Amino acid sequence: DQQVKQNSPSLSVQEGRISILNCDYTNSMFDYFLWYKKYPAEGPTFLISISSIKDKNEDGRFTVFLNKSAKHLSLHIVPSQPGDSAVYFCAASASGGSNYKLTFGKGTLLTVNP
Amino acid sequence: EAQVTQNPRYLITVTGKKLTVTCSQNMNHEYMSWYRQDPGLGLRQIYYSMNVEVTDKGDVPEGYKVSRKEKRNFPLILESPSPNQTSLYFCASSSIPGSYEQYFGPGTRLTVT
Repeated sequence: DQQVKQNSPSLSVQEGRISILNCDYTNSMFDYFLWYKKYPAEGPTFLISISSIKDKNEDGRFTVFLNKSAKHLSLHIVPSQPGDSAVYFCAASASGGSNYKLTFGKGTLLTVNP
Repeated sequence: EAQVTQNPRYLITVTGKKLTVTCSQNMNHEYMSWYRQDPGLGLRQIYYSMNVEVTDKGDVPEGYKVSRKEKRNFPLILESPSPNQTSLYFCASSSIPGSYEQYFGPGTRLTVT
C-alpha cells in the first residue's frame, strides 16, 4: 500500500519553461511534506518543504503547493534550467510519529532540455 | 564541510558473507537512519536511531542489524547477505527536535551474488 504516490515516472520540459511535478498521498495523518532532489551517484538533497497549515511555500525558483482536501501537492520550478535535471522525490511525515520517519514516493525523473 | 559519509561506495559480495557498511556524520546530529532504494519502490527505511544506544526498526529491517555506540557513527550490518538485499543504500542524519530535513550520504551500491 503506497501512501505517497508520484504517478509520473518521468517529465521532460524545455529550458525556461515551467516544470510541474505532482505527488498524491493517502494517509490523512501526514502533515509535513518535503521534496528532495537526487542526482546520479549522489544522495538525495533537501529542496523545499511545506507544513499542512500552509498551502504554498516559495524558495527562489521553487514553489510547493499543497491541497489538503485533495491530498495532493505539487512542485513548480520556474524557470526550469538544465541543472534541474534530476530525480525528484516527494516525502511525507506525520508530526505525531516518534521516529521522524519520512515516507517517500517512487520519484519522478525530470529532464530539462536546453 | 557538513557531510554524511558512507563506505564502501560500491561492494560486490557473495551470499552469506558478513559485511558492514559504515556511516559517519560530522554535524553532531542526534538522529540517524538507513534507507534502501530499489527500482519502482522508492526509498524505504531500514533502521533508525534517535540517539546513542537507541535504535529501532523501520519498514524493512529483516536481515539487517545496526549499532549506535557513538553519536557520529551508525554502521549497517548484514550478517548473512542474500541476493534480495542487492540494493542502493543511503544513510541519513538530522538534528532533533523536529527536523524532518534529513541529510543523506552519497549511497552504497551493494550487489549480493
